[in-house]
Amino acid sequence: DAGVIQSPRHEVTEMGQEVTLRCKPISGHDYLFWYRQTMMRGLELLIYFNNNVPIDDSGMPEDRFSAKMPNASFSTLKIQPSEPRDSAVYFCASSFSRGSAAFGPGTRLTVT
Amino acid sequence: SQQGEEDPQALSIQEGENATMNCSYKTSINNLQWYRQNSGRGLVHLILIRSNEREKHSGRLRVTLDTSKKSSSLLITASRAADTASYFCATAARGSQGNLIFGKGTKLSVKP
Repeated sequence: DAGVIQSPRHEVTEMGQEVTLRCKPISGHDYLFWYRQTMMRGLELLIYFNNNVPIDDSGMPEDRFSAKMPNASFSTLKIQPSEPRDSAVYFCASSFSRGSAAFGPGTRLTVT
Repeated sequence: SQQGEEDPQALSIQEGENATMNCSYKTSINNLQWYRQNSGRGLVHLILIRSNEREKHSGRLRVTLDTSKKSSSLLITASRAADTASYFCATAARGSQGNLIFGKGTKLSVKP
């Protein structure tokens, strides 16, 4: 198994642009999580899905953020429009039931 | 809201010494998990302890859980320079559908 796959690994964009982050979870995992990590706030849970259905999006900072999971093997996190304060490392993770989570390598986003 | 809080925030020890990190949480949990993150990388799951367990071992790792005090500890014995990383606890709250909430982590530095 290749593990959780995220793309791109690095993204540099200008303020106001749309950013789309992608994630392929581990096959067979029924939970998918999106986290954001910054020095100031640590690891924040943005949203998570169970069987492709969003369960809790209370961590999504504002309406500029949206996430979808059209099928069991793919999820996107979109920021539109992006702002400098969105600069962070975004992690996708997946798990089976309530077990341990496998994390992807992360996407380092820089918004200038 | 932050569920797990690690203590200390940073720990510096010599190779061969033991390292102890603590985690406190607020609500009832299904399980508590410890993760490790090397600089610039994703998180790696280390160990999961269920709410009805008090102690668990995995190699040089020993985890304890005290649900009455809502706290857990991670002990790394005979530390090595390669153990240098940040260590996070994460809790799956009882009644939740599986979301993991992370603390801000303990940054461990093991000097050769």
